[in-house]
Amino acid sequence: QKEVEQDPGPLSVPEGAIVSLNCTYSNSAFQYFMWYRQYSRKGPELLMYTYSSGNKEDGRFTAQVDKSSKYISLFIRDSQPSDSATYLCAMSNEGAMKTSYDKVIFGPGTSLSVIP
Amino acid sequence: DARVTQTPRHKVTEMGQEVTMRCQPILGHNTVFWYRQTMMQGLELLAYFRNRAPLDDSGMPKDRFSAEMPDATLATLKIQPSEPRDSAVYFCASGTPLAGVVNEQFFGPGTRLTVL
Repeated sequence: QKEVEQDPGPLSVPEGAIVSLNCTYSNSAFQYFMWYRQYSRKGPELLMYTYSSGNKEDGRFTAQVDKSSKYISLFIRDSQPSDSATYLCAMSNEGAMKTSYDKVIFGPGTSLSVIP
Repeated sequence: DARVTQTPRHKVTEMGQEVTMRCQPILGHNTVFWYRQTMMQGLELLAYFRNRAPLDDSGMPKDRFSAEMPDATLATLKIQPSEPRDSAVYFCASGTPLAGVVNEQFFGPGTRLTVL
């Protein structure tokens, strides 16, 4: 079993739909949870992050973390064709956020297409 | 506009040949990462450096891969001899640890390697 699991999709939705992307993980030590977005033939870029449990909202995007279930989600409201990309969840331990880097473990990514 | 640069963007080579990939991290970033991305395995960490010193290269096949930072503006990843299973997109990323701030990594555009 991999440390971080993510449904690879592909996921195809009509423009304006609500999109739900999810990851599960096995390491209870993870404290920082990130979502990276990767457009075709580009490098990933950080979209959102949360610390520990809870929700975080940024415009049309909402990130949720449920540490008790080891489950994180990214919701996209009013999805747009420009949201078409691969979304990778990423996680790390407490140490990574303080004075030194620890490994950031990436999920395999979910490919999303938003159809106009 | 600060960004990570990688050369070459594309490389096609024959099995057994040496491949060298180069990365210029963002000026001022003291941590550099090398990742490999494939459909099957997703994004895998190969190695990372802080202040030019290797911190972790446990993800690299030691017999054929080597990573160095000759100076703060250049990181290299070499494969010798290359094999068809090395075909992948290789990403370089850079960042800098700050207390209490998320461990954001800034990715380059990647080198797409094909080994025939």
